[in-house]
Amino acid sequence: GNSVTQMEGPVTLSEEAFLTINCTYTATGYPSLFWYVQYPGEGLQLLLKATKADDKGSNKGFEATYRKETTSFHLEKGSVQVSDSAVYFCALRRGETSGSRLTFGEGTQLTVNP
Amino acid sequence: DGGITQSPKYLFRKEGQNVTLSCEQNLNHDAMYWYRQDPGQGLRLIYYSQIVNDFQKGDIAEGYSVSREKKESFPLTVTSAQKNPTAFYLCASSGAQETQYFGPGTRLLVL
Repeated sequence: GNSVTQMEGPVTLSEEAFLTINCTYTATGYPSLFWYVQYPGEGLQLLLKATKADDKGSNKGFEATYRKETTSFHLEKGSVQVSDSAVYFCALRRGETSGSRLTFGEGTQLTVNP
Repeated sequence: DGGITQSPKYLFRKEGQNVTLSCEQNLNHDAMYWYRQDPGQGLRLIYYSQIVNDFQKGDIAEGYSVSREKKESFPLTVTSAQKNPTAFYLCASSGAQETQYFGPGTRLLVL
């Protein structure tokens, strides 16, 4: 079946540090890949996505590249801010019809200190 | 503004009581979803609906029920059969682009 594995947290960084959160997946075929962010007490917000191999998703300084050869979709940011403190979820979607299900990783808690 | 609303923000359930969580969207999306989130865990799918008057069980449907009488609405009932209902419940919807968008969530607590 489909599965997503994220690096274990929590991750604590100082402001302006470089961020990498690893995500690998198992799926047949060609899934679409997503990163969502969840701020305390809130729902999930879509951060970025990629729908085919070698695509790079980017938003708000975050980037992730869909690597089919390594089945990975690692999230990176060159210089984190205190406001980036949140939980980050990697997810994949199989299927081409409306209502395709998402499979989520367990989430990685990021804390950025000033 | 278009979006997804969930109510209430906090909900308290007594022993043996059924409670209903509301989810409404004005995005004109066909598909809607309910997830459960427990501390330190990812989201688990409870039920989903691809079209009005149709829905399917997700991975943890036992103790829950849903209805989809209108495109905009997908309420979730947590029944007394759900023995461990304390969690954060998230509703989502998706349209032709398939990307799922989430509501702000409802936190259910047991008295």
